[in-house]
Amino acid sequence: KQEVTQIPAALSVPEGENLVLNCSFTDSAIYNLQWFRQDPGKGLTSLLLIQSSQREQTSGRLNASLDKSSGRSTLYIAASQPGDSATYLCAVRPGRGSTLGRLYFGRGTQLTVWP
Amino acid sequence: NAGVTQTPKFQVLKTGQSMTLQCAQDMNHNSMYWYRQDPGMGLRLIYYSASEGTTDKGEVPNGYNVSRLNKREFSLRLESAAPSQTSVYFCASILLGQNQPQHFGDGTRLSIL
Repeated sequence: KQEVTQIPAALSVPEGENLVLNCSFTDSAIYNLQWFRQDPGKGLTSLLLIQSSQREQTSGRLNASLDKSSGRSTLYIAASQPGDSATYLCAVRPGRGSTLGRLYFGRGTQLTVWP
Repeated sequence: NAGVTQTPKFQVLKTGQSMTLQCAQDMNHNSMYWYRQDPGMGLRLIYYSASEGTTDKGEVPNGYNVSRLNKREFSLRLESAAPSQTSVYFCASILLGQNQPQHFGDGTRLSIL
Protein backbone atom coordinates (compact mmCIF):
# COMPACT_ATOMS: atom_id res chain seq x y z
CA LYS A 1 0.00 0.00 0.00
CA GLN A 2 1.25 3.44 -0.91
CA GLU A 3 2.05 5.67 2.05
CA VAL A 4 2.54 9.41 1.71
CA THR A 5 4.30 11.53 4.32
CA GLN A 6 4.50 15.31 4.46
CA ILE A 7 7.04 17.30 6.43
CA PRO A 8 6.71 19.62 8.25
CA ALA A 9 3.20 19.22 9.64
CA ALA A 10 3.02 22.95 10.31
CA LEU A 11 5.04 25.98 9.29
CA SER A 12 4.79 29.61 10.38
CA VAL A 13 6.87 32.20 8.55
CA PRO A 14 7.00 35.97 7.97
CA GLU A 15 5.87 37.37 4.66
CA GLY A 16 8.45 37.34 1.88
CA GLU A 17 10.24 34.11 2.74
CA ASN A 18 10.86 31.37 0.21
CA LEU A 19 9.43 28.07 1.40
CA VAL A 20 9.94 24.37 0.75
CA LEU A 21 7.30 21.80 1.59
CA ASN A 22 8.28 18.15 1.44
CA CYS A 23 6.41 15.04 0.39
CA SER A 24 7.68 11.46 0.33
CA PHE A 25 6.02 8.28 -0.88
CA THR A 26 6.89 4.62 -0.43
CA ASP A 27 6.10 3.11 -3.85
CA SER A 28 7.89 4.75 -6.76
CA ALA A 29 5.52 3.21 -9.34
CA ILE A 30 3.32 6.27 -9.64
CA TYR A 31 1.22 7.64 -12.49
CA ASN A 32 1.35 11.23 -11.30
CA LEU A 33 1.61 13.41 -8.21
CA GLN A 34 -0.66 16.32 -7.35
CA TRP A 35 -0.29 19.21 -4.94
CA PHE A 36 -3.50 20.67 -3.53
CA ARG A 37 -4.36 23.68 -1.43
CA GLN A 38 -7.12 23.52 1.18
CA ASP A 39 -8.45 26.60 2.93
CA PRO A 40 -10.21 26.16 6.31
CA GLY A 41 -13.68 24.70 5.85
CA LYS A 42 -13.24 24.46 2.10
CA GLY A 43 -12.59 21.86 -0.55
CA LEU A 44 -9.36 20.97 -2.34
CA THR A 45 -7.96 23.14 -5.10
CA SER A 46 -5.46 21.55 -7.45
CA LEU A 47 -2.24 23.57 -7.69
CA LEU A 48 0.13 21.47 -9.74
CA LEU A 49 0.17 18.03 -11.33
CA ILE A 50 3.46 16.35 -12.21
CA GLN A 51 3.39 13.37 -14.52
CA SER A 52 5.65 10.45 -13.66
CA SER A 53 7.88 11.26 -16.64
CA GLN A 54 8.36 14.90 -15.59
CA ARG A 55 10.87 16.41 -13.19
CA GLU A 56 9.06 19.63 -12.33
CA GLN A 57 6.09 21.88 -12.96
CA THR A 58 5.73 25.61 -12.40
CA SER A 59 2.75 27.89 -11.91
CA GLY A 60 3.42 31.49 -10.96
CA ARG A 61 5.29 31.54 -7.64
CA LEU A 62 4.88 27.78 -7.21
CA ASN A 63 7.32 25.15 -8.39
CA ALA A 64 6.94 21.44 -7.75
CA SER A 65 9.68 18.90 -8.36
CA LEU A 66 9.53 15.13 -8.54
CA ASP A 67 12.25 12.56 -7.94
CA LYS A 68 10.38 9.34 -8.54
CA SER A 69 13.31 7.02 -7.90
CA SER A 70 13.84 8.38 -4.39
CA GLY A 71 10.11 8.78 -3.70
CA ARG A 72 10.21 12.52 -3.09
CA SER A 73 8.50 15.69 -4.21
CA THR A 74 8.95 19.26 -3.05
CA LEU A 75 6.70 22.27 -3.40
CA TYR A 76 8.62 25.52 -3.53
CA ILE A 77 6.75 28.75 -2.79
CA ALA A 78 8.60 31.91 -3.70
CA ALA A 79 8.11 35.23 -1.90
CA SER A 80 5.37 33.97 0.38
CA GLN A 81 2.32 36.15 1.11
CA PRO A 82 -0.36 36.06 3.84
CA GLY A 83 -2.81 34.86 1.18
CA ASP A 84 -0.71 31.69 0.86
CA SER A 85 -1.84 30.63 4.35
CA ALA A 86 -3.62 27.29 3.95
CA THR A 87 -3.04 23.56 4.25
CA TYR A 88 -1.07 22.03 1.39
CA LEU A 89 -1.74 18.42 0.52
CA CYS A 90 0.38 16.05 -1.53
CA ALA A 91 -1.37 13.17 -3.30
CA VAL A 92 -0.01 10.30 -5.34
CA ARG A 93 -1.86 8.39 -8.05
CA PRO A 94 -0.54 4.82 -8.33
CA GLY A 95 0.75 3.55 -11.63
CA ARG A 96 -0.56 0.06 -11.11
CA GLY A 97 -3.23 -1.75 -9.17
CA SER A 98 -6.95 -2.13 -9.50
CA THR A 99 -8.16 1.03 -7.76
CA LEU A 100 -8.22 3.11 -10.89
CA GLY A 101 -7.47 6.78 -10.59
CA ARG A 102 -7.62 6.94 -6.80
CA LEU A 103 -5.23 9.16 -4.87
CA TYR A 104 -3.22 8.47 -1.74
CA PHE A 105 -2.91 11.57 0.42
CA GLY A 106 -0.44 12.86 2.94
CA ARG A 107 -1.70 14.55 6.10
CA GLY A 108 -0.76 17.97 4.85
CA THR A 109 1.41 20.91 5.86
CA GLN A 110 -0.45 23.74 7.56
CA LEU A 111 1.18 26.99 6.44
CA THR A 112 0.76 30.35 8.13
CA VAL A 113 2.35 33.42 6.57
CA TRP A 114 2.19 36.48 8.80
CA PRO A 115 2.59 40.11 7.70
CA ASN B 1 -18.93 25.67 -15.09
CA ALA B 2 -19.95 24.22 -11.71
CA GLY B 3 -17.39 21.34 -11.60
CA VAL B 4 -18.21 18.94 -8.74
CA THR B 5 -21.27 19.82 -6.65
CA GLN B 6 -22.01 18.21 -3.29
CA THR B 7 -25.20 18.46 -1.24
CA PRO B 8 -25.82 19.08 1.55
CA LYS B 9 -22.90 21.18 2.81
CA PHE B 10 -23.66 20.51 6.47
CA GLN B 11 -25.71 17.87 8.26
CA VAL B 12 -26.28 16.76 11.85
CA LEU B 13 -27.68 13.27 12.44
CA LYS B 14 -28.54 11.17 15.43
CA THR B 15 -26.99 7.73 15.84
CA GLY B 16 -28.95 5.19 13.83
CA GLN B 17 -30.42 7.63 11.32
CA SER B 18 -29.81 7.22 7.63
CA MET B 19 -28.99 9.73 4.94
CA THR B 20 -27.64 10.07 1.43
CA LEU B 21 -24.91 12.43 0.34
CA GLN B 22 -25.29 13.62 -3.22
CA CYS B 23 -22.56 14.38 -5.74
CA ALA B 24 -22.81 15.53 -9.34
CA GLN B 25 -20.19 16.58 -11.88
CA ASP B 26 -20.67 18.39 -15.17
CA MET B 27 -17.23 17.77 -16.72
CA ASN B 28 -18.16 14.55 -18.54
CA HIS B 29 -15.76 12.61 -16.31
CA ASN B 30 -16.08 8.84 -16.27
CA SER B 31 -14.69 8.10 -12.79
CA MET B 32 -15.94 9.33 -9.45
CA TYR B 33 -14.76 8.87 -5.86
CA TRP B 34 -15.85 9.36 -2.26
CA TYR B 35 -13.22 10.22 0.35
CA ARG B 36 -13.48 11.09 4.01
CA GLN B 37 -11.20 13.51 5.85
CA ASP B 38 -10.66 13.24 9.58
CA PRO B 39 -8.56 15.57 11.78
CA GLY B 40 -4.86 14.74 11.62
CA MET B 41 -5.34 12.19 8.85
CA GLY B 42 -5.07 12.28 5.11
CA LEU B 43 -8.09 11.75 2.91
CA ARG B 44 -9.11 8.09 2.75
CA LEU B 45 -11.02 6.42 -0.06
CA ILE B 46 -14.45 5.01 0.83
CA TYR B 47 -15.80 3.89 -2.55
CA TYR B 48 -15.17 4.65 -6.17
CA SER B 49 -16.82 4.18 -9.54
CA ALA B 50 -14.41 3.77 -12.44
CA SER B 51 -17.22 4.04 -14.98
CA GLU B 52 -20.99 4.24 -15.17
CA GLY B 53 -22.49 1.02 -13.88
CA THR B 54 -19.52 -0.07 -11.76
CA THR B 55 -18.62 0.55 -8.12
CA ASP B 56 -15.83 -0.79 -5.92
CA LYS B 57 -14.71 -0.56 -2.32
CA GLY B 58 -11.87 1.62 -1.19
CA GLU B 59 -9.99 1.30 2.08
CA VAL B 60 -12.76 2.29 4.52
CA PRO B 61 -16.11 1.06 3.03
CA ASN B 62 -17.75 -0.37 6.16
CA GLY B 63 -21.04 1.33 7.03
CA TYR B 64 -21.48 2.90 3.59
CA ASN B 65 -23.14 2.10 0.30
CA VAL B 66 -22.93 3.90 -3.03
CA SER B 67 -24.93 4.28 -6.20
CA ARG B 68 -23.67 5.46 -9.56
CA LEU B 69 -27.01 6.80 -10.77
CA ASN B 70 -25.72 7.88 -14.19
CA LYS B 71 -22.53 9.32 -15.61
CA ARG B 72 -22.98 12.60 -13.71
CA GLU B 73 -24.13 11.45 -10.29
CA PHE B 74 -22.57 9.33 -7.54
CA SER B 75 -24.28 9.12 -4.15
CA LEU B 76 -23.04 7.88 -0.78
CA ARG B 77 -25.49 6.40 1.72
CA LEU B 78 -25.12 5.88 5.43
CA GLU B 79 -27.69 3.24 6.39
CA SER B 80 -27.33 3.52 10.17
CA ALA B 81 -25.12 6.42 11.15
CA ALA B 82 -22.53 5.98 13.92
CA PRO B 83 -20.49 8.64 15.76
CA SER B 84 -17.33 7.22 14.11
CA GLN B 85 -18.71 8.43 10.79
CA THR B 86 -18.49 12.05 11.88
CA SER B 87 -16.22 13.48 9.23
CA VAL B 88 -15.91 15.70 6.19
CA TYR B 89 -16.86 13.86 3.02
CA PHE B 90 -15.43 14.80 -0.35
CA CYS B 91 -16.55 13.72 -3.77
CA ALA B 92 -14.08 13.80 -6.65
CA SER B 93 -14.04 13.04 -10.34
CA ILE B 94 -11.56 12.50 -13.13
CA LEU B 95 -11.44 11.54 -16.78
CA LEU B 96 -9.58 8.23 -16.68
CA GLY B 97 -7.14 7.71 -19.49
CA GLN B 98 -6.05 11.33 -19.40
CA ASN B 99 -3.21 12.60 -17.25
CA GLN B 100 -5.31 15.33 -15.69
CA PRO B 101 -5.89 16.57 -12.15
CA GLN B 102 -8.64 15.15 -10.03
CA HIS B 103 -11.41 17.65 -9.24
CA PHE B 104 -13.00 17.88 -5.81
CA GLY B 105 -16.27 19.22 -4.45
CA ASP B 106 -16.45 21.57 -1.47
CA GLY B 107 -17.31 18.75 0.93
CA THR B 108 -20.15 17.74 3.24
CA ARG B 109 -19.52 18.29 6.94
CA LEU B 110 -21.37 15.56 8.79
CA SER B 111 -21.79 15.30 12.56
CA ILE B 112 -23.38 12.28 14.19
CA LEU B 113 -24.51 12.62 17.77
